[in-house]
Amino acid sequence: DQQVKQNSPSLSVQEGRISILNCDYTNSMFDYFLWYKKYPAEGPTFLISISSIKDKNEDGRFTVFLNKSAKHLSLHIVPSQPGDSAVYFCAASRSYNTDKLIFGTGTRLQVFP
Amino acid sequence: DGGITQSPKYLFRKEGQNVTLSCEQNLNHDAMYWYRQDPGQGLRLIYYSQIVNDFQKGDIAEGYSVSREKKESFPLTVTSAQKNPTAFYLCASSPAGWRTEAFFGQGTRLTVV
Repeated sequence: DQQVKQNSPSLSVQEGRISILNCDYTNSMFDYFLWYKKYPAEGPTFLISISSIKDKNEDGRFTVFLNKSAKHLSLHIVPSQPGDSAVYFCAASRSYNTDKLIFGTGTRLQVFP
Repeated sequence: DGGITQSPKYLFRKEGQNVTLSCEQNLNHDAMYWYRQDPGQGLRLIYYSQIVNDFQKGDIAEGYSVSREKKESFPLTVTSAQKNPTAFYLCASSPAGWRTEAFFGQGTRLTVV
């Protein structure tokens, strides 16, 4: 049972344009969401997070939007740069049980010149 | 430099042999985790520990064992009972408290031949 889903395995975007990565979840108890970026043969690095009391969180070129009624979140990268090319993982947890981060399957983003 | 160190980066073992993956952190984090990544799948939780001398099974604990004798160390043993041990293994740690992100090591690629 996949509680966190990233239905697009890959995304290709031109440099300078917006990248939108999507994530859906099924467990309504999740109230804290994170995005991680991962290069091949390396560990993931934390990008940005959002709690369920917000619907938007922004950090530089990265913005995460949360739609609780739809159980959907998205990561926007504007403008996209070639260095953004990586696999992006969405993760979710329950605040009172942050020992368990549930990850999605990842979306491979390629930013081309 | 504070961080999480996994060693070795690449590991080869013969089928039927137990193997132990090392994970050390100097971030003074209370919680530590082991995840497994397979192609096309997200990060799946194997074991986690919130305090020394205590740990819990994750979603795919069968065929694995861990120990947490020291706060900074959380070794993972892949036993011969693990049916498909070839994978990329990631160790992570996080501070105590809620709504905190996990920090990952660089990973160990285990290949069983």
